[in-house]
Amino acid sequence: QITLQESGPTLVKPTQTLTLTCTYSGFSLSSDTVGVGWFRQPPGMALEWLAFIHWNGDRRYSPSLKTRLTIAKDPSRNQVVLTMTNMDSVDTATYFCARGTTDFDYWGRGTLVTVSS
Amino acid sequence: DIQLTQSPSTLSASVGDRVTITCRASQSISTWLAWYQQQPGKAPKLLIYKASSLQSGVPSRFSGSGSGTEFTLNINSLQPDDFATYYCQQYNSHSPWTFGQGTKVEIK
Repeated sequence: QITLQESGPTLVKPTQTLTLTCTYSGFSLSSDTVGVGWFRQPPGMALEWLAFIHWNGDRRYSPSLKTRLTIAKDPSRNQVVLTMTNMDSVDTATYFCARGTTDFDYWGRGTLVTVSS
Repeated sequence: DIQLTQSPSTLSASVGDRVTITCRASQSISTWLAWYQQQPGKAPKLLIYKASSLQSGVPSRFSGSGSGTEFTLNINSLQPDDFATYYCQQYNSHSPWTFGQGTKVEIK
């Protein structure tokens, strides 16, 4: 059974750095030819892709956010970590991680992150 | 970046109706297009991948078609569980993973 679960703070202050962890099970990021992506969805708005890490370590970032994002994987702990620097109120959103490559077949439930002082 | 434009933004329909949602890409993406369904407060669910392949476990009333820049998602005989928001998503190696703005299917 494949599962993913996001964890991290629910509230961050402006200018702080957000660190989110995606803990997965049922597949391997060291051998299976898949990757894990991070996405977000502001309240009432559309989905937005943020970052992706492939099983072979290849990393991709959204061009509009690449200077603020870092994605890393720890296959020994079955985790993928996303950091986003310099958080602002416009970054308030539900953040999801998902497994896939060209499309994403398993998703976590998401975690709502609010940016407020 | 490759932009995806969905139409309509909102669609009112009744149980049993056939509905069609369109997704247009700003440049050719071959068949690298997926469709997702999202219920309020839930994660997206993959319905269709590679433009026309039905994801395992998804009812056969869902179908996808298209290539290049124009794609459609059809839902035959709309069921109560189908009232949701639908997103298309493209993959291109130079401009990966963008989504359309969504189409909300609501009860007429």
